[in-house]
Amino acid sequence: SQQGEEDPQALSIQEGENATMNCSYKTSINNLQWYRQNSGRGLVHLILIRSNEREKHSGRLRVTLDTSKKSSSLLITASRAADTASYFCAPGTGANNLFFGTGTRLTVIP
Amino acid sequence: GAGVSQSPSNKVTEKGKDVELRCDPISGHTALYWYRQSLGQGLEFLIYFQGNSAPDKSGLPSDRFSAERTGGSVSTLTIQRTQQEDSAVYLCASSLIEGYNQPQHFGDGTRLSIL
Repeated sequence: SQQGEEDPQALSIQEGENATMNCSYKTSINNLQWYRQNSGRGLVHLILIRSNEREKHSGRLRVTLDTSKKSSSLLITASRAADTASYFCAPGTGANNLFFGTGTRLTVIP
Repeated sequence: GAGVSQSPSNKVTEKGKDVELRCDPISGHTALYWYRQSLGQGLEFLIYFQGNSAPDKSGLPSDRFSAERTGGSVSTLTIQRTQQEDSAVYLCASSLIEGYNQPQHFGDGTRLSIL
């Protein structure tokens, strides 16, 4: 399977706390991408990390990649109610399309 | 600038009818993708268009599904003789293609309900 698998399936935290989501995959990758999906909307690209990178930051987002363990993590710091959404990882395997998992459903409680 | 536009946003139809879903990608994006998302599930790849190349149809679930992309821009996904299991959100995405696996830009989808 070329898709990523997110863990946990669901996560509930208080506003201001940090949220960490994990992604595991099974194949070689060119890059790994994280997306957010708000209820009833399409996916929004958050961040792309290349296979030769270990860590990348974008605002309150921090992504790590460990290709030896075939895993990635997404950390959202100082969470806000507006961060409530589903988060998907997508390994870029060189195929035409991306393979998305079932996502982590994050709820940030105000 | 304008993002990916999909229409209709919602479609309710009776089993056995044909439906057409439309996707208008971001101008200049040569790659276009269709995905299907069932309730609470991940995205299932359906079909991929890249420029004038033959489309990658490997994800289409049956011969009732077809898609075309005219003039390298607008795409239409057609489902013939709809079944209840076709009920889902159909998402379209586009991307620049300067190498594989570029970030994809999604529309808000068409929510299809088959009665």
